[in-house]
Amino acid sequence: GAGVSQSPSNKVTEKGKDVELRCDPISGHTALYWYRQRLGQGLEFLIYFQGNSAPDKSGLPSDRFSAERTGESVSTLTIQRTQQEDSAVYLCASNNRGSTYEQYFGPGTRLTVT
Amino acid sequence: DAKTTQPPSMDCAEGRAANLPCNHSTISGNEYVYWYRQIHSQGPQYIIHGLKNNETNEMASLIITEDRKSSTLILPHATLRDTAVYYCIGLRSGAGSYQLTFGKGTKLSVIP
Repeated sequence: GAGVSQSPSNKVTEKGKDVELRCDPISGHTALYWYRQRLGQGLEFLIYFQGNSAPDKSGLPSDRFSAERTGESVSTLTIQRTQQEDSAVYLCASNNRGSTYEQYFGPGTRLTVT
Repeated sequence: DAKTTQPPSMDCAEGRAANLPCNHSTISGNEYVYWYRQIHSQGPQYIIHGLKNNETNEMASLIITEDRKSSTLILPHATLRDTAVYYCIGLRSGAGSYQLTFGKGTKLSVIP
């Protein structure tokens, strides 16, 4: 079946602009995760949605970052007033239970802030 | 979560078995051993996990020593598409446990 999809695949933006990244999880998956991966670095957890529960936002690096998810479908990650240090690959993952590490990742969105 | 140690890089001839070791000597009784890989420019991919017993799925086999201090991921017939960075992680299961954190992993190069 279809995997996790993300759009756009690449985004180049000027410093100070807002960007919106989209994630379509696998159908039926209740849990959705956003991570950031800087070049040559490991995963950095950003935010976690599980069903209708309040999201875990503990990984968001600043108040410029926010994310929304409607029900168990699409999620959007918004970065306001982008900075050069926001340049990274933003990865989305989903699974059908929250407390499990078997996460299925999308291809990521490569964000470049110039 | 347990600290894991992996060799930084390995080569494997195409068609041969790739055996990727991982040391996790501080792993606790309720921590699982998980393996992921990341092919260049792609998102991470779950491979397999285990607690005590050896596990096998369509992608790989996981051999865990009896004392659980180390494990080996086996790709039985490596192909060029298996070239990736492989991550071994010790993770505690339970409510609220879901954040993945990777170390440096092993860069596996499958050679034609």
